[in-house]
Amino acid sequence: EAQVTQNPRYLITVTGKKLTVTCSQNMNHEYMSWYRQDPGLGLRQIYYSMNVEVTDKGDVPEGYKVSRKEKRNFPLILESPSPNQTSLYFCASSLGAGGEQYFGPGTRLTVT
Amino acid sequence: TQLLEQSPQFLSIQEGENLTVYCNSSSVFSSLQWYRQEPGEGPVLLVTVVTGGEVKKLKRLTFQFGDARKDSSLHITAAQPGDTGLYLCAGLSGNTPLVFGKGTRLSVIA
Repeated sequence: EAQVTQNPRYLITVTGKKLTVTCSQNMNHEYMSWYRQDPGLGLRQIYYSMNVEVTDKGDVPEGYKVSRKEKRNFPLILESPSPNQTSLYFCASSLGAGGEQYFGPGTRLTVT
Repeated sequence: TQLLEQSPQFLSIQEGENLTVYCNSSSVFSSLQWYRQEPGEGPVLLVTVVTGGEVKKLKRLTFQFGDARKDSSLHITAAQPGDTGLYLCAGLSGNTPLVFGKGTRLSVIA
């Protein structure tokens, strides 16, 4: 089954404790991206990757890091999480930047 | 920065009613996508429109791309509770990443 998986689905952590949210897709897509979704602000892109070893900032990259060492995986790293990063996070993949976006199920992160 | 404005922000209607939601911009897009997001899940693509004036139908849903490719609408006929969700439009222009609107949250009451 074609899918994007994210782990964990839910995470409660404390300020400053490094965390990684994993994202994996099995569709051989070149393009992957991370979004955060907040009430009243909609979906905002954090980072995207056009292919392996190629990443670029989206609209709200501050406080986040990503890596794309393999085509299928695109982890999101929060080196020192802060409460303003409490949000619902989605990973997405597509054949190209403008193609149909396949979204993962989301990760709800709470930083206290 | 390209912006997509969606209206209304919230919509609550009775089962069987018709409705239209809008997605507007001052920018021209080469294509526009509509997604539906249900609670606890990621958005799922409904349709992509690419030609100015294009109309696409998906059962009771009708999507239209404006002639100037700056706006789009989604019309639902005889809404059902299963149509409840967040409807998002997303526009593509040149080599820039997709731009998402903030969405219209639809609630259809039985």
